[in-house]
Amino acid sequence: GAGVSQSPSNKVTEKGKDVELRCDPISGHTALYWYRQSLGQGLEFLIYFQGNSAPDKSGLPSDRFSAERTGGSVSTLTIQRTQQEDSAVYLCASRTGIANNYGYTFGSGTRLTVV
Amino acid sequence: EDKVVQSPLSLVVHEGDTVTLNCSYEVTNFRSLLWYKQEKKAPTFLFMLTSSGIEKKSGRLSSILDKKELFSILNITATQTGDSAVYLCAVLHSGGGADGLTFGKGTHLIIQP
Repeated sequence: GAGVSQSPSNKVTEKGKDVELRCDPISGHTALYWYRQSLGQGLEFLIYFQGNSAPDKSGLPSDRFSAERTGGSVSTLTIQRTQQEDSAVYLCASRTGIANNYGYTFGSGTRLTVV
Repeated sequence: EDKVVQSPLSLVVHEGDTVTLNCSYEVTNFRSLLWYKQEKKAPTFLFMLTSSGIEKKSGRLSSILDKKELFSILNITATQTGDSAVYLCAVLHSGGGADGLTFGKGTHLIIQP
């Protein structure tokens, strides 16, 4: 597609439920990032996929968070047993992955509210 | 459609030079403009600009916003190799997207020794 597409744009869930957030990157972009933006804070790195390499999961805050990327394209971020502190905007970004090409494209995010 | 355009997309200069990075925007219900520096994983926050004409400074970095002409610039003086990074501009606005936060594609700055 023309841009990075994220869905849903807004999600309200009850504490303890599981949620899935979806990111559809730009076609051909091999690098995909998930970030979290909490109110009043900067972007927090969560996970990075690059081609067929093992993902960099070093930013996932707990084992309740997981992500996968199927077929090198669409990615799903799953949060199990959601907590109120998980409330944030979850942003996805992709880029080509070609060396020295750093043009990031961000999606418009999913606002997650845990009540 | 809300959009944020950064220029140049990439820039190579020598250590000690001064650089100016540009960010123009077209959004509905502008609230503020943010600059980030991305080196490895998560962008680090540099500045938030809400009012026109008020320069924000942090060391060798400074930034200013022009809400009439809808753009911002980020200046870096006496550049050092550690300034090499991607500089991201984002605009916070009401309506559109989950949080009305729209990013530009970034400027890849390379400082050569």
